[in-house]
Amino acid sequence: DAGITQSPRHKVTETGTPVTLRCHQTENHRYMYWYRQDPGHGLRLIHYSYGVKDTDKGEVSDGYSVSRSKTEDFLLTLESATSSQTSVYFCAISETPSEQPQHFGDGTRLSIL
Amino acid sequence: DQQVKQNSPSLSVQEGRISILNCDYTNSMFDYFLWYKKYPAEGPTFLISISSIKDKNEDGRFTVFLNKSAKHLSLHIVPSQPGDSAVYFCAARRGVDDKIIFGKGTRLHILP
Repeated sequence: DAGITQSPRHKVTETGTPVTLRCHQTENHRYMYWYRQDPGHGLRLIHYSYGVKDTDKGEVSDGYSVSRSKTEDFLLTLESATSSQTSVYFCAISETPSEQPQHFGDGTRLSIL
Repeated sequence: DQQVKQNSPSLSVQEGRISILNCDYTNSMFDYFLWYKKYPAEGPTFLISISSIKDKNEDGRFTVFLNKSAKHLSLHIVPSQPGDSAVYFCAARRGVDDKIIFGKGTRLHILP
């Protein structure tokens, strides 16, 4: 299994609070991705990174920011959490954008009350 | 607008029979297709893929068929086993540097 660790695995917080999710990899892969999974929507890309300090937006980036200061860590921040951001968040990694498949972490279940 | 469509939210199949999961796509530029399997409380895991230059790819009990003219692919699982009960995501990519796009998933239930 690819070495991907997401933390926390579960979090409950209140509307308006900032939240940071962490993805840590031990594979030294260049590309890292954040997805959210919602019923009726499947997996949707939020942001991705193609190197340290290099990030770009995905399909559903509004309300989210990311940072990557080290190869192994990719942080997803909800600057002011809203109930619509209640979801399961998955991190994924790949060595190149054309490398398929991506390898996924086990997810973070986030509830915004 | 959804580019990768899995129109069946769920499917129930008797153990030992064939499971057929379907996926349609709208973008004729997609050149690579993947299937992922997901168990509860785990991340998706890669199952099988197919390039647009092929029409069939087989890996053990799993076979993916691609019909480019119909913009349709299907995943066949034969014979179906209890451990195949999971959510299956169809995904597609437009080019070597493009990100993959996922369908909404189909939940497969294998009945004893």
